[in-house]
Amino acid sequence: EIVMTQSPATVSLSPGERATLTCRASQSVDTKLAWYQQKPGQAPRLLIYGASTRATDLPARFSGSGSETDFTLTISSLQSEDLAVYFCQQYSRWPLTFGGGTRVEVK
Amino acid sequence: QVQLVQSGAELKKPGASVKVSCKTSGYTFTSNDINWMRQAPGQGLEWLGWINPNTGDTGYSLKFRARVTITSDSSLRTAYMELTSLTSDDTAVYYCARGKDIRVRLVFDSWGQGTLVTVSS
Repeated sequence: EIVMTQSPATVSLSPGERATLTCRASQSVDTKLAWYQQKPGQAPRLLIYGASTRATDLPARFSGSGSETDFTLTISSLQSEDLAVYFCQQYSRWPLTFGGGTRVEVK
Repeated sequence: QVQLVQSGAELKKPGASVKVSCKTSGYTFTSNDINWMRQAPGQGLEWLGWINPNTGDTGYSLKFRARVTITSDSSLRTAYMELTSLTSDDTAVYYCARGKDIRVRLVFDSWGQGTLVTVSS
């Protein structure tokens, strides 16, 4: 199965700062990569799919990039409500697999 | 709006089975796949399988294929996930999620609230 590795495990930034989260696949997934946000006690929310296509109503400060094995989720100006764990997911090959997540803390 | 509402928390003994339901509303039930994931305490997400409610076709992770069955009832707009031969390793929050659309079936745009399944003697 394709192993998804996310880094860093935790990032702590001040409001207004830029957050850069990375996701690496153990083999190429083309651009079949999605990002989800999971706030404490909530179900995940789809942010990005196709590596860079933003989900409906997603604030413009969120963007995704990358292809094949290396992907990035960027939050251009961190807001307090962005406190969450962010997961990547590949949907190129069965079984679908998720990364272990990056926790974003807002100072 | 689209909603997926799951059944309540379950406490099961090792060796037992659990069946979790996922009742949907706000869209045409047969137009989107339903997938099931789980999340063990403090861990990431793990995919179990999917169902196409229109055709009844299913697919499962090899890891769970021998123990999981996903079904649906279109008249009730509800999908179900049954997991058998439970062990403590199956303690997790189980989620159902809707496939985004026919072109992007394996990305999930709406999720249930999660069902905590605890396996303990």
